[in-house]
Amino acid sequence: DAGVTQSPTHLIKTRGQQVTLRCSPKSGHDTVSWYQQALGQGPQFIFQYYEEEERQRGNFPDRFSGHQFPNYSSELNVNALLLGDSALYLCASSFRVGTVGYTFGSGTRLTVV
Amino acid sequence: GEDVEQSLFLSVREGDSSVINCTYTDSSSTYLYWYKQEPGAGLQLLTYIFSNMDMKQDQRLTVLLNKKDKHLSLRIADTQTGDSAIYFCAESNTGGFKTIFGAGTRLFVKA
Repeated sequence: DAGVTQSPTHLIKTRGQQVTLRCSPKSGHDTVSWYQQALGQGPQFIFQYYEEEERQRGNFPDRFSGHQFPNYSSELNVNALLLGDSALYLCASSFRVGTVGYTFGSGTRLTVV
Repeated sequence: GEDVEQSLFLSVREGDSSVINCTYTDSSSTYLYWYKQEPGAGLQLLTYIFSNMDMKQDQRLTVLLNKKDKHLSLRIADTQTGDSAIYFCAESNTGGFKTIFGAGTRLFVKA
């Protein structure tokens, strides 16, 4: 049973560029949440998608946007990259009703230079 | 607002017990979690406790919750070198919704 898969695993971008990160949730899960984990910090909630809509959002600017597809997979897009966007981006999946806790992917390490 | 705080480092000897502490501010927290993160990996859910419980035991793990003081602890019995990792305390209002994480406690286990 495949868990949460994220791609790519590593990425280097230049300031001002745009990036798209991808996530496939664990089989049977319908909800995808995205987190940003800066070095030495805990994960910070970006947003959560369910039924192809953004349901909850953390304190992140509009440069961060996302999408969920009918097969429950999701993308995280970041525009106008800043050096401070360098972090590990984690995707977590869950079932909207009935599960407790997340299943996390291994993350995408984004470096902005 | 929502905040979760935990100490940054803990060092123990192999075979001893480890106790990792956490405090949270959201009195409406329903679920409290402990996650483990090993180098280069995502987070793994270790255990969780409902806010109406005081204690939960799962093999070598014991979770204690003091709801009045908003204090959560994780005890690992017979700590092994393989337990070396970062442990995150987290809380949410409902099981599948937004979860707030602490900064993590790095556990070092000395052989």
